[in-house]
Amino acid sequence: QSVLTQPPSVSAAPGQKVSISCSGSSSNIGSNYVSWYQQLPGTAPKLLIYDNNKRPSGIPDRFSGSKSDTSATLGITGLQTGDEADYYCGTWDSSLSAVVFGGGTKLTVL
Amino acid sequence: EVQLLESGGGSVQPGGSLRLSCAASGLNFNNYAMCWVRQAPGKGLEWVSAINGNGGTTYYADSVKGRFTISRDNSKNTLFLQMNSLRAEDTAVYYCAKGGSGFDPWGQGTLVTVSS
Repeated sequence: QSVLTQPPSVSAAPGQKVSISCSGSSSNIGSNYVSWYQQLPGTAPKLLIYDNNKRPSGIPDRFSGSKSDTSATLGITGLQTGDEADYYCGTWDSSLSAVVFGGGTKLTVL
Repeated sequence: EVQLLESGGGSVQPGGSLRLSCAASGLNFNNYAMCWVRQAPGKGLEWVSAINGNGGTTYYADSVKGRFTISRDNSKNTLFLQMNSLRAEDTAVYYCAKGGSGFDPWGQGTLVTVSS
């Protein structure tokens, strides 16, 4: 199982908002920046959020990130069918000296 | 625009070796850490290894430590992953990615299949 814990799936209707959680510990999320990645079917992952809450250029402000203690959350508003993808959180784990990812969350836009 | 292009994947028998390459363009390559991340069929992302800009510091996942070696040739803007003693569980798409604040961008990936 993954060091970071994400729900396996979430779903919502078009236009609605959804939150995806990522739970860790003091050695990873609690002491390091969190990134979020979007992986559309059949494609490579793409960076959505870095340093907990910053968006790379070109990422719409419908995507947001936050962090509190040992948990992080990805928020997506104004859901579109094109947002259907797998979403992963990731961070450095200071105890493992390794990058760790969550198991991924499949977003379905109903 | 930064572009990363992996190559070197293929089919290999258990116990065999492969060397993956990742050619980078559009960046001052030696200014950035680089990493390898893999994804087994139908599974999630698994970080494999990382290397700093000058190649002097490397990190490995426990699952590949002692079998895989990451390296880079900054004169050729190329990242490598030497994979030895390959196992069936190493079967995956291997992505290279530029490090820093988050991994961005990622290459398109190269498939490694370990099977007898």
